[in-house]
Amino acid sequence: DVKVTQSSRYLVKRTGEKVFLECVQDMDHENMFWYRQDPGLGLRLIYFSYDVKMKEKGDIPEGYSVSREKKERFSLILESASTNQTSMYLCASSLLRVSEAFFGQGTRLTVV
Amino acid sequence: AQSVTQLGSHVSVSEGALVLLRCNYSSSVPPYLFWYVQYPNQGLQLLLKYTTGATLVKGINGFEAEFKKSETSFHLTKPSAHMSDAAEYFCAVSEGSGGYNKLIFGAGTRLAVHP
Repeated sequence: DVKVTQSSRYLVKRTGEKVFLECVQDMDHENMFWYRQDPGLGLRLIYFSYDVKMKEKGDIPEGYSVSREKKERFSLILESASTNQTSMYLCASSLLRVSEAFFGQGTRLTVV
Repeated sequence: AQSVTQLGSHVSVSEGALVLLRCNYSSSVPPYLFWYVQYPNQGLQLLLKYTTGATLVKGINGFEAEFKKSETSFHLTKPSAHMSDAAEYFCAVSEGSGGYNKLIFGAGTRLAVHP
């Protein structure tokens, strides 16, 4: 089975901190994604990557950056955390265009 | 850009009743469509997908969905609801070109099942 692992289930950080969310997949997928999930808004795409060192902005990239140094790992970085970034963050990976995405368990981030 | 609309943010049914969750998409090209389910404090799990071929797609847990191009719809159904079906359901459409895709999600529908 495909496994997408997010490093933390719950995180509490202070305003202004730099925050790293890590995601690892074990199926050699080219595509990796970071979404944020908020009630009533569904999942919104922050960034995605279709190859090592390649990244593309999604719909809501402001305040975030990403890093993909290795194929299996995709990191989301909050440069200076703010309270409006309190949310559930979901990482996903996929193999081909028609392939479904496989999701991690999510990281619930609270910024205080 | 493509978009997905899920009609009804909350749906409540009785155990044993028909489940119908509605999804409409906008796409100028033949879409790839997906339904995902999310249980509390979990990630998303694929229920079913439509890529090409038969328009009636069967998924896990007794769910199925029908792709209707003329209506730009991909509604999810289950003949008889079970208490364990209570969850949030997301419809998604694939957008992209070349070797990569990204999924565009609807806002989700929370399904409640009562005895």
